[in-house]
Amino acid sequence: DQQVKQNSPSLSVQEGRISILNCDYTNSMFDYFLWYKKYPAEGPTFLISISSIKDKNEDGRFTVFLNKSAKHLSLHIVPSQPGDSAVYFCAPSSIGSNYKLTFGKGTLLTVNP
Amino acid sequence: EAQVTQNPRYLITVTGKKLTVTCSQNMNHEYMSWYRQDPGLGLRQIYYSMNVEVTDKGDVPEGYKVSRKEKRNFPLILESPSPNQTSLYFCASRRTQGDYNSPLHFGNGTRLTVT
Repeated sequence: DQQVKQNSPSLSVQEGRISILNCDYTNSMFDYFLWYKKYPAEGPTFLISISSIKDKNEDGRFTVFLNKSAKHLSLHIVPSQPGDSAVYFCAPSSIGSNYKLTFGKGTLLTVNP
Repeated sequence: EAQVTQNPRYLITVTGKKLTVTCSQNMNHEYMSWYRQDPGLGLRQIYYSMNVEVTDKGDVPEGYKVSRKEKRNFPLILESPSPNQTSLYFCASRRTQGDYNSPLHFGNGTRLTVT
């Protein structure tokens, strides 16, 4: 049972344009959502998070939107840069699971110069 | 520098030959965990430890063992490796498990091939 779905395995965007990465979840108990970024030959690194009491969190070029009714969140990167090319993982958690992270399968973002 | 260190980075072994992948963190984190990453499957948790001498199974624990004798170290042990354990392994730590504001810090991974 896949609780977290990142339905786009890959996404290609031109430099300077917006990148939108999507994540859908089925577990309504999830109440804290994180995004991780992973470069080849490195471990994932924390990027941005959002609590279920909010619908938007912004950090520089990165904004995460949460639509609880639709069980959907998205990560927007504006403007996209070639250095943003990486795999992005959505990772929700819940207080009921002691905030154990459940990772999606990831989306490979390629930003073309 | 705050970091999670895994060794080795690459390992090729044969079926049945016991191996250990070491993991050490220098951030005094209580919580440590092991994940494997496989194509099309994302990151799956193998084992985790809430603190010293406290370990528990994750989602895919079969064929693996762990120990947590010291706070900083969390080795992953494969007593009798099999080809289906060929994967990319990540160790991770966080301050505590129950703190949602405490993100996981990952090591750089160990690529294991079992022939």
